[in-house]
Amino acid sequence: SQELEQSPQSLIVQEGKNLTINCTSSKTLYGLYWYKQKYGEGLIFLMMLQKGGEEKSHEKITAKLDEKKQQSSLHITASQPSHAGIYLCGASGAGSYQLTFGKGTKLSVIP
Amino acid sequence: EPEVTQTPSHQVTQMGQEVILRCVPISNHLYFYWYRQILGQKVEFLVSFYNNEISEKSEIFDDQFSVERPDGSNFTLKIRSTKLEDSAMYFCASSAFPGGYTFGSGTRLTVV
Repeated sequence: SQELEQSPQSLIVQEGKNLTINCTSSKTLYGLYWYKQKYGEGLIFLMMLQKGGEEKSHEKITAKLDEKKQQSSLHITASQPSHAGIYLCGASGAGSYQLTFGKGTKLSVIP
Repeated sequence: EPEVTQTPSHQVTQMGQEVILRCVPISNHLYFYWYRQILGQKVEFLVSFYNNEISEKSEIFDDQFSVERPDGSNFTLKIRSTKLEDSAMYFCASSAFPGGYTFGSGTRLTVV
């Protein structure tokens, strides 16, 4: 079965700083999803990546997919307190609709 | 923006009781899913549903669980006889195509 390893597990940054969260898969990535979750709440869709080398941006968040390395990164530029939360990566396998999730990265942004 | 609606937001039930968790997916979506997240753990896949039948299910989704789309708008998850270990946040999701998920805000189920 597919396993997703996220790093770091937690991150505390000063407001305005840049940061990167990584997600590494044990198997080939066919679709990689990034979600944000506030504690005890639902998952908010951020981005979906499907092709090797693909890069998407939304506001100050950029996600990239390195298919060869079976890895994706999420980069936040000039972090703000509103970026605080738990970031989850999820991946789908070949011919499967289900998502396997990583354990998440807890981000805290200090004003 | 269209959203997936889940009710109730929090449900407390006694062990051994049946519970039904309800979801209203986005209206033009065709694929429906249930996931759960035990406190402090990963989000785990339970089941996917398409064309009025289960398309995939995980090992967690045993005979105690069932899903139904009783009408054109609702999608339900039933747990027949709840156990303490069923306590978790249950998320419904829907998509217009496989994988393009929109999640609901979840139902927190507490079994006492």
